[in-house]
Amino acid sequence: GDSVTQMEGPVTLSEEAFLTINCTYTATGYPSLFWYVQYPGEGLQLLLKATKADDKGSNKGFEATYRKETTSFHLEKGSVQVSDSAVYFCALSVLTGNQFYFGTGTSLTVIP
Amino acid sequence: DAGITQSPRYKITETGRQVTLMCHQTWSHSYMFWYRQDLGHGLRLIYYSAAADITDKGEVPDGYVVSRSKTENFPLTLESATRSQTSVYFCASRGGGRASYNEQFFGPGTRLTVL
Repeated sequence: GDSVTQMEGPVTLSEEAFLTINCTYTATGYPSLFWYVQYPGEGLQLLLKATKADDKGSNKGFEATYRKETTSFHLEKGSVQVSDSAVYFCALSVLTGNQFYFGTGTSLTVIP
Repeated sequence: DAGITQSPRYKITETGRQVTLMCHQTWSHSYMFWYRQDLGHGLRLIYYSAAADITDKGEVPDGYVVSRSKTENFPLTLESATRSQTSVYFCASRGGGRASYNEQFFGPGTRLTVL
């Protein structure tokens, strides 16, 4: 079935460090891929998305490239800030279904 | 308010009581979803709806009931609350028909505690 696997946390980084959060997927058909961010006490917000192979989604300095050959959608940021501390969720949606499939989330803490 | 809202934001109830969580969206999105979020499980889909009067089960539907008489509202009812239903509940909506590239928009969540 369709599923998403993302690296377990928690992840703790110093300010200005490089961030990678790994995400791989299994899907029947041609999924769209998403990264959501959840700040403390809030709902999930879309961070970026990619709808076909080799697309790169980007927002707020975060990037992720849809890699069909490795079934991956890793989230990266070159220089994290304290304000990036949050939980990050990878997700996929397939055309043949109505549902989203979420990873279990990766908690990121950035320390000054 | 524009967007997607949930009420109440916090709720404490007792085992065996009926509880209804409300969700309202102003975009006229066709699809609406209920998730629960628990440590170690991420987000799990409870129920979803493709349109008014059309609902379907998700991954963890037992103990929950939904209805959708109007496009903009999607209430979730716990018929007889249990402690295992203590969780944070998120409502979400999505527009644009069946196209997979449309993202879901989430409400702020309801934190439910069952004593």
